[in-house]
Amino acid sequence: QKEVEQDPGPLSVPEGAIVSLNCTYSNSAFQYFMWYRQYSRKGPELLMYTYSSGNKEDGRFTAQVDKSSKYISLFIRDSQPSDSATYLCAMSAATGRRALTFGSGTRLQVQP
Amino acid sequence: NAGVTQTPKFQVLKTGQSMTLQCAQDMNHNSMYWYRQDPGMGLRLIYYSASEGTTDKGEVPNGYNVSRLNKREFSLRLESAAPSQTSVYFCASSVGGAENTEAFFGQGTRLTVV
Repeated sequence: QKEVEQDPGPLSVPEGAIVSLNCTYSNSAFQYFMWYRQYSRKGPELLMYTYSSGNKEDGRFTAQVDKSSKYISLFIRDSQPSDSATYLCAMSAATGRRALTFGSGTRLQVQP
Repeated sequence: NAGVTQTPKFQVLKTGQSMTLQCAQDMNHNSMYWYRQDPGMGLRLIYYSASEGTTDKGEVPNGYNVSRLNKREFSLRLESAAPSQTSVYFCASSVGGAENTEAFFGQGTRLTVV
């Protein structure tokens, strides 16, 4: 079983919809949680960064972390066609190896 | 802003050939990483360097070697390429330390081994 599980999609929504993307994980040592966006044939770019549990909001994006359930979410409000990309969750521990462990990514398509 | 620069962007190798993927960052980051990305597998860590002078194996190190040449540069070498190493390779860097784990990525190297 993978340490980080993510539904690969694809997820297709109409423009203006609220999008919910999720990951579950099994390693209780993970403390830092990130969401990356990756456009086709490009490198991943950091979208949101959260430490431990709680919510973080940045414009149309909200990241939530529930450590008790080992579950993280990314919400996109008022989705736009330009949001069409693959979204990767990533996480790391606070001690030991701090390299990121990634989910497999969810492909999102926002239809105009 | 250059950020993380990878060369080459594309490469085709024959089975058994060797090559080195180059990576350089200009953000004065301490930690650098090599990942490979395959369909449905996400990004998997090959090797990482927590700081200049140190390297450690990641999740899928077999068939690869790395060199942290200096603080800026981290190279990945395939000694004898195999078709299973066909993938997109990403280099990344981060500040390092307990509270700075977010990584910044290069644009990738698409490698095909025939």
